[in-house]
Amino acid sequence: KAGVTQTPRYLIKTRGQQVTLSCSPISGHRSVSWYQQTPGQGLQFLFEYFSETQRNKGNFPGRFSGRQFSNSRSEMNVSTLELGDSALYLCASSISTLRGVEAFFGQGTRLTVV
Amino acid sequence: AQTVTQSQPEMSVQEAETVTLSCTYDTSESDYYLFWYKQPPSRQMILVIRQEAYKQQNATENRFSVNFQKAAKSFSLKISDSQLGDAAMYFCAYPNAGGTSYGKLTFGQGTILTVHP
Repeated sequence: KAGVTQTPRYLIKTRGQQVTLSCSPISGHRSVSWYQQTPGQGLQFLFEYFSETQRNKGNFPGRFSGRQFSNSRSEMNVSTLELGDSALYLCASSISTLRGVEAFFGQGTRLTVV
Repeated sequence: AQTVTQSQPEMSVQEAETVTLSCTYDTSESDYYLFWYKQPPSRQMILVIRQEAYKQQNATENRFSVNFQKAAKSFSLKISDSQLGDAAMYFCAYPNAGGTSYGKLTFGQGTILTVHP
């Protein structure tokens, strides 16, 4: 069973540009969540998508957006990049079954804004 | 709002010894899950163990076990027979329930575990 796949693994962008990150969840998982990890702020929740609908949203500016497609793949977009957006962006897919809740992460996308 | 606190920024252990990582949380819910994740230098977040709050029995996965104290809202991770490969950052996480979805995880600050040979 394939795990959560994030692409690309590494990105270098210039201030003011925009970037799109992609996440393919585990087959059968309909919930996809995005997190930003920085040394100073730790792991912060960005948003969650479930069946193509945004279910939860974290406390991030409107420059951060996302979407989910009918095959559960998700993309997140950051517009007008700032230096402070440099971070590891993690995607997780989760599912609630009779066996309980499972949430698994991809390897992350390391974004550097210069 | 749910909060998760890990009060130990760093811990160290000798290989083959046992170490316990602490986590406390705050929630008003009665039924919930708790997770421990491991993040090695590769940055891949790996699910180590999960606990369901309604289960009295502490979860165990091979060398990893938890001490879940629901009344005290404490969820510690015990690693027995520590191995060099256990060196990583460990995060305690609480999945916020939103309907049938548990996709919003609240994380603790993390504990860096060093394993000495």
